[in-house]
Amino acid sequence: VQLQESGPGLVKPLGTLSLTCGVSGDSITNTKWWSWVRLSPGKGLEWIGEVSNSGSTNYNSPLKSRVSISLDRSMNQFSLRLTSVTAADTAVYYCARGNGWGGSSDWFDPWGQGTRITVSS
Amino acid sequence: DIVMTQSPRSLSVTPGEPASISCRASQSLLHRNGDHYFDWYVQKPGQSPQLLFYLGSNRASGVPDRFSGSGSGTYFTLQIRRVEAEDVGVYYCMQSLETPLTFGQGTRLEIK
Repeated sequence: VQLQESGPGLVKPLGTLSLTCGVSGDSITNTKWWSWVRLSPGKGLEWIGEVSNSGSTNYNSPLKSRVSISLDRSMNQFSLRLTSVTAADTAVYYCARGNGWGGSSDWFDPWGQGTRITVSS
Repeated sequence: DIVMTQSPRSLSVTPGEPASISCRASQSLLHRNGDHYFDWYVQKPGQSPQLLFYLGSNRASGVPDRFSGSGSGTYFTLQIRRVEAEDVGVYYCMQSLETPLTFGQGTRLEIK
């Protein structure tokens, strides 16, 4: 199973960050959860949220008003949308497959290689 | 939110010597089903994080048996029996008992 993030690299302040995670070797309709995690120098690893194979979502509260995660079944990929970005959203963004059987991911395996996003004018 | 606190924040180990990293959760990670919803990850230089242990002490595929994970309730430990050069990286713990899923701050392992 391989995951591959794609995104713009640079986003202007107050703009919208859109990332896509392409999945190969697994179907997003089979596995229960698909997640986004980011790594920044100031905050370490931060779970952003996840989408289930049925389309339900869980989000981290501080980001909930700005984030949306969705599935694209036809392309076997899932996406992250983060609005009104600021410098605090500068980070490496990872997508990951969430494993387990409960109401959210129990563990992440595998992870994508990550994509660096800088918020700057 | 459940707060995960790792210690030490960094350690430098001679190859062949053991190493130990601990992680404390702000509340018990024991689920009513008997599993501990706790994982260990490592991020090696230039790579993305990779799973080491899941649901407490279940070793992920491909993880050498010189790594062991133990603990219960709120306190967990990752031990490396004999450190090798390839073990360099940042080690993270994570709780998955409830959302938001939260990580420890990370422990940087260096080789002397």
